[in-house]
Amino acid sequence: GAVVSQHPSRVICKSGTSVKIECRSLDFQATTMFWYRQFPKQSLMLMATSNEGSKATYEQGVEKDKFLINHASLTLSTLTVTSAHPEDSSFYICSARAGQRNTEAFFGQGTRLTVV
Amino acid sequence: SQQGEEDPQALSIQEGENATMNCSYKTSINNLQWYRQNSGRGLVHLILIRSNEREKHSGRLRVTLDTSKKSSSLLITASRAADTASYFCATGPHASGGSYIPTFGRGTSLIVHP
Repeated sequence: GAVVSQHPSRVICKSGTSVKIECRSLDFQATTMFWYRQFPKQSLMLMATSNEGSKATYEQGVEKDKFLINHASLTLSTLTVTSAHPEDSSFYICSARAGQRNTEAFFGQGTRLTVV
Repeated sequence: SQQGEEDPQALSIQEGENATMNCSYKTSINNLQWYRQNSGRGLVHLILIRSNEREKHSGRLRVTLDTSKKSSSLLITASRAADTASYFCATGPHASGGSYIPTFGRGTSLIVHP
């Protein structure tokens, strides 16, 4: 299948700082990317959907000013956790879909964020 | 919003045995997909079954879909210790225009003892 690369795989940051997570589609153009958050032994909760060149659509309850999503190109989307707080510690996973009618999404390796 | 729900939540078996996981969903779907996640890692796509299909095979995996019951099952035959992972089903609610957004259940945690 297609390859989605997510970076970094692990990050530890101090409270109050911002952290940027990158999601790249390596061998296809991703018109849409999804960002998920996963707590230990829980499901993946969709945070937001981003389409290249437009603003992200956030799920209910997700603060768009805290979780900034940028999808400036067809191969790169970024998630920035601003003013990080220990409760933001979680596993973040991105997913990319090639086309609007495409029904298969490919996932990155995930980023383990720890805020201390 | 979550749509698929897997059961059991946890399954522990011996190597060589078969493992069966079920997934139920709420609304009509175009397709259903199964994913695997090793601890602390990303998801790996296993298999996709479309709403007009009833059964699909891929290696040791067999997936069934019953749209009348809104349920699917994933069977792993002759399990191996390396199959130990969490398994999720994902269904794709469609916004207007047919866009696919994978949404997940809680997953089944499978442990295969050597």
